[in-house]
Amino acid sequence: DAKTTQPTSMDCAEGRAANLPCNHSTISGNEYVYWYRQIHSQGPQYIIHGLKNNETNEMASLIITEDRKSSTLILPHATLRDTAVYYCIVGGGSEKLVFGKGTKLTVNP
Amino acid sequence: GAVVSQHPSRVICKSGTSVKIECRSLDFQATTMFWYRQFPKQSLMLMATSNEGSKATYEQGVEKDKFLINHASLTLSTLTVTSAHPEDSSFYICSANNARGSQETQYFGPGTRLLVL
Repeated sequence: DAKTTQPTSMDCAEGRAANLPCNHSTISGNEYVYWYRQIHSQGPQYIIHGLKNNETNEMASLIITEDRKSSTLILPHATLRDTAVYYCIVGGGSEKLVFGKGTKLTVNP
Repeated sequence: GAVVSQHPSRVICKSGTSVKIECRSLDFQATTMFWYRQFPKQSLMLMATSNEGSKATYEQGVEKDKFLINHASLTLSTLTVTSAHPEDSSFYICSANNARGSQETQYFGPGTRLLVL
């Protein structure tokens, strides 16, 4: 079973920031938080991952709470092409990834 | 980011035939690759873990004799669906582990859509 809980769906206006929450209260000390997204009929796309520090790359920012029990993925300026299912997954290194149902993000014009 | 390819992107076959799907890591070596299956409106379900040079590890409920996995090199894993039936119709996706230093990240292929008639 997936070790994360995400809202089923979210809406966001184009150009605004999209903040996607994820709860992972049972995360263990050596597990990373990974975020992927899947656009319809494509393979999942890696977005970002982190252990305990906040991370930022060209796609998004990842904010992890100090107790590591939850995190938020931030898309700073959402576009229509960001409409996808976003998966938050916890895991460690070479371990398998267990996908939950994710959050269906719809970016509206 | 790392690139993973799959071939073919879609395939239609008759019931009872076998279908081979290739997964390649194009710009990195992967000692571990994974095979997933995704049915419509569902999430990805892991089928098996493929390790270079050794036998694959299958998830519970996945028939190893039906879904043959070969990971012959550090850049290629193949999944063969033997004696395919209509219920095997699905979206098959592979991923490969890219190790950079102490961190490993999985990168996914674009998927292969299989339709068994």
